[in-house]
Amino acid sequence: SQTIHQWPATLVQPVGSPLSLECTVEGTSNPNLYWYRQAAGRGLQLLFYSVGIGQISSEVPQNLSASRPQDRQFILSSKKLLLSDSGFYLCAWSGGSMNEQFFGPGTRLTVL
Amino acid sequence: LAKTTQPISMDSYEGQEVNITCSHNNIATNDYITWYQQFPSQGPRFIIQGYKTKVTNEVASLFIPADRKSSTLSLPRVSLSDTAVYYCLVVTPRRDDKIIFGKGTRLHILP
Repeated sequence: SQTIHQWPATLVQPVGSPLSLECTVEGTSNPNLYWYRQAAGRGLQLLFYSVGIGQISSEVPQNLSASRPQDRQFILSSKKLLLSDSGFYLCAWSGGSMNEQFFGPGTRLTVL
Repeated sequence: LAKTTQPISMDSYEGQEVNITCSHNNIATNDYITWYQQFPSQGPRFIIQGYKTKVTNEVASLFIPADRKSSTLSLPRVSLSDTAVYYCLVVTPRRDDKIIFGKGTRLHILP
């Protein structure tokens, strides 16, 4: 069966510090991968999605970037965090013909 | 991408049937309607998906009229644990299609 991992689960970082969140998927190959952000009490905002290694589409201009160095690995990064980067970051994958999405456990990021 | 519109919030009581309606006026011929459920501090979870008429599983039923411009998620006999945000999405079954979540409907079940 397929599983999706995200780490860390929680993170507290100072403004201006770098960020690296990792997501890995097991049990499937060539998945579509997604990064979402959810601010407190708000909906999900699609940040990046990828249909293959090295293929990244950015949805929102910001100080975040994403990379897909391996088929089942998706990384979200920032060189300098802003206060507004605080939120709940979710990684998801889809691979079926109906694009059903499966979400990871999420990372709660607090920028102070 | 077809835009969806659903109520921001709804309240109901335990044991009641809850119906959440979603409108998607510009749904395309190949699009499917998909619903997700999200509990606090968790990622959304797929509930049900359909193309037309009625789909039922162990969690919910999905009613889609012939014109497919709207759909209704029906939750039978809700309990407190059904308190969650419910998202309606229109999904194109293509690998390269991105998936956008709207604001969803915040369902609050009262005792």
